[in-house]
Amino acid sequence: EADIYQTPRYLVIGTGKKITLECSQTMGHDKMYWYQQDPGMELHLIHYSYGVNSTEKGDLSSESTVSRIRTEHFPLTLESARPSHTSQYLCASSKGSQETQYFGPGTRLLVL
Amino acid sequence: QKEVEQDPGPLSVPEGAIVSLNCTYSNSAFQYFMWYRQYSRKGPELLMYTYSSGNKEDGRFTAQVDKSSKYISLFIRDSQPSDSATYLCAMSEWDDKIIFGKGTRLHILP
Repeated sequence: EADIYQTPRYLVIGTGKKITLECSQTMGHDKMYWYQQDPGMELHLIHYSYGVNSTEKGDLSSESTVSRIRTEHFPLTLESARPSHTSQYLCASSKGSQETQYFGPGTRLLVL
Repeated sequence: QKEVEQDPGPLSVPEGAIVSLNCTYSNSAFQYFMWYRQYSRKGPELLMYTYSSGNKEDGRFTAQVDKSSKYISLFIRDSQPSDSATYLCAMSEWDDKIIFGKGTRLHILP
């Protein structure tokens, strides 16, 4: 099993709150990714990073932001949560290009 | 037209049957093809990874890629109840931006 962790696993929060979803990996991977997955729908890439101090937006527009201050850590932040942010958020990492992406268990977010 | 099309199912088959899962795609530049398995409330895990056309076998799993038809398949032999999951096809061009299908929910009936 891959050594990539996400916390919290489940989060129920009210509209307007600031939230941070944590993702950590202990494999020393340079590349990390955030995907959004709604039930019965495709995973959509919302952010990725090729290394420390590198962050890029993915194909799906998202109001979230990310940071990559340490290789092993790639948190995702929503400054003001809204019900439209309700979804599952999956973090992944890979060693390099064309390498396997390992996924974390995901965070299920419900914004009331 | 979506880049990757995958029937969401659900697909129910009896234990021991051969399962065939398929995806079609429209982007002829895709070079890398993957199948992920996702159990309920878990993240996807990589099952098979192939480059370009051809077949790849790993235990009970066989992945096929037909680039001329833009069609990929995953076969599961001697299916087991533990194979019940959602199977996601995925593909990418030369970089590591992966495009995923919606996933097919598979139920293996004991």
